[in-house]
Amino acid sequence: QVTLRESGPALVKPTQTLTLTCTFTGFSLTTDGVGVSWIRQPPGKTLEWLALIDWEDDKYYNISLKTRLTISKDTSKNQVVLTMTNMDPVDTATYYCARGRDGQQPRKYYFDYWGRGTLVTVSS
Amino acid sequence: SYELTQPPSVSVSPGQIASISCSGDQWGNKYASWYQKRSGQSPVLVIYQDTKRPSGIPERFSGSNSGNTATLTISGTQAVDEADYYCQAWDSTTASVVFGGGTKLTVL
Repeated sequence: QVTLRESGPALVKPTQTLTLTCTFTGFSLTTDGVGVSWIRQPPGKTLEWLALIDWEDDKYYNISLKTRLTISKDTSKNQVVLTMTNMDPVDTATYYCARGRDGQQPRKYYFDYWGRGTLVTVSS
Repeated sequence: SYELTQPPSVSVSPGQIASISCSGDQWGNKYASWYQKRSGQSPVLVIYQDTKRPSGIPERFSGSNSGNTATLTISGTQAVDEADYYCQAWDSTTASVVFGGGTKLTVL
């Protein structure tokens, strides 16, 4: 059974660095074509893709946020970690991690399992 | 950057067909996925690789992709289908995931 669960602080102050952890079960991030992505949704707004890490440890970032994001994985712990620096109130959102499939060339990623999401509020 | 454009809202009567479009350049080189998102819940994949339906998704959900537009069709729409729907694609040019702006489906 595939599950993903996000964890991290519910509240961060402006300028601080956010660290979120995605802990997953039921699949391996060493399997061909598999990736884990972070996606967020600010209140009342649309989904926004942030980053993806794949089975080959290749990393992909939203170009508009790339300078603030770092994604990494710990295969032995079945975890993917996202850090986002210099947090701002506009970063207030529910952050989701999701399993990506179909990452082999030609890539056509889609996300078949999602975590429940974690609400992060940025406020002083 | 690559953009996917969806209508902000679509309304449909129960039992009728709902069609939600997602337009973007060079769709022929990409594959569309669709997600249903109800308020307060996580997104659910309803269509992937343009036309494929994951197990557990009702047959009334179908997808197509031609020219510059991908379309999600819900046949025999039910009240339970009321949600926001997002299209998504992988853009190989920028090596990034792209989501459409979302469409609010209202079942009147």
